[in-house]
Amino acid sequence: GAVVSQHPSRVICKSGTSVKIECRSLDFQATTMFWYRQFPKQSLMLMATSNEGSKATYEQGVEKDKFLINHASLTLSTLTVTSAHPEDSSFYICSARGQTNTGELFFGEGSRLTVL
Amino acid sequence: GNSVTQMEGPVTLSEEAFLTINCTYTATGYPSLFWYVQYPGEGLQLLLKATKADDKGSNKGFEATYRKETTSFHLEKGSVQVSDSAVYFCALNNAGNMLTFGGGTRLMVKP
Repeated sequence: GAVVSQHPSRVICKSGTSVKIECRSLDFQATTMFWYRQFPKQSLMLMATSNEGSKATYEQGVEKDKFLINHASLTLSTLTVTSAHPEDSSFYICSARGQTNTGELFFGEGSRLTVL
Repeated sequence: GNSVTQMEGPVTLSEEAFLTINCTYTATGYPSLFWYVQYPGEGLQLLLKATKADDKGSNKGFEATYRKETTSFHLEKGSVQVSDSAVYFCALNNAGNMLTFGGGTRLMVKP
């Protein structure tokens, strides 16, 4: 099956710094990737839709200047949390659509961000 | 709009007990339905899916049947194991790339 890989899996940073999370589709091309955020014991919340070669589409309430998304190639999307604060601490998960039309999404392993 | 409602957890069972996690949905048309599982510290994995009414998805002993008349996709397993302890998410996809998730149900299986 299709594989999506995220890096890093865990990151701890100081408040005010920026953190970049990578999402790669390893064995297929993904024109569209999705970034989700998951708070403890809660479901996934879609943050933005990342389209290769164009600007990301952000969901309502998500600060585009804080969560920078770049989808520079068909196999890589990055999420940069700028000027991170403790309230940005969360589990961030990316996904990419597979090559079939069943709507199945393949998810990365997730990246746990802790902002001190 | 689309929505998915799951039973709230946590669900605590003894090993070899029967599991049911209820899931109902609201959507127009004919969505595809999914169950995803998230083991501790890991990302989501697709557990099973069904793309049309009356389809039954199955994997690793888990089953769910797409019931359009009751707009449900309940997850069942006849005999749970400790290793099944995880959070289970019901989701739907309706003519697009995006998934709509339920709130997740935490399952805890005790030996």
